[in-house]
Amino acid sequence: GENVEQHPSTLSVQEGDSAVIKCTYSDSASNYFPWYKQELGKRPQLIIDIRSNVGEKKDQRIAVTLNKTAKHFSLHITETQPEDSAVYFCGSSGSARQLTFGSGTQLTVLP
Amino acid sequence: DVKVTQSSRYLVKRTGEKVFLECVQDMDHENMFWYRQDPGLGLRLIYFSYDVKMKEKGDIPEGYSVSREKKERFSLILESASTNQTSMYLCASRVAGDDEQYFGPGTRLTVT
Repeated sequence: GENVEQHPSTLSVQEGDSAVIKCTYSDSASNYFPWYKQELGKRPQLIIDIRSNVGEKKDQRIAVTLNKTAKHFSLHITETQPEDSAVYFCGSSGSARQLTFGSGTQLTVLP
Repeated sequence: DVKVTQSSRYLVKRTGEKVFLECVQDMDHENMFWYRQDPGLGLRLIYFSYDVKMKEKGDIPEGYSVSREKKERFSLILESASTNQTSMYLCASRVAGDDEQYFGPGTRLTVT
């Protein structure tokens, strides 16, 4: 089955700096890559996603890039703010249309 | 606004007990999922259902079963709870043919 690896497991940045979280996947048939944000004590919520026919997608301060050849995708958060502190999960959905998630990244934005 | 609810936020059970975790969604979604969330392991798929009466095993089904008698309700059953099933359990749903999953608030289960 699909295997998704996510790095780093923890990330601390100063407020205003950028944060990058990377994921690799194994199934070359995967075609949907979401990123979920989970604040402490809350449910995961989708913040951005990308499909395999697109290389990059932006939504205000967040962006996702996809390299299909290398089978990796990344989440980029610019001008980080304290409210960006959360656990972020990447996901990959392949031919079976089930999501396989990475292990999560705890992002801490230091004021 | 999609609403996915779970019957309990916190649950404490004893080893060997039968445990029922309930999930209800109010948006007529066809697909429903059960995950468990553990530190360092992310979210792992236990079971899923693409329609009423239908169920499929996910990546870690051992020790669990599910029931989907109605479209809006998906139940996770621990036949005989064990301490290694102490975890956060998350339910999710989505429209058939769509990709985005909507999560419930989670049930933190402790088995002692």
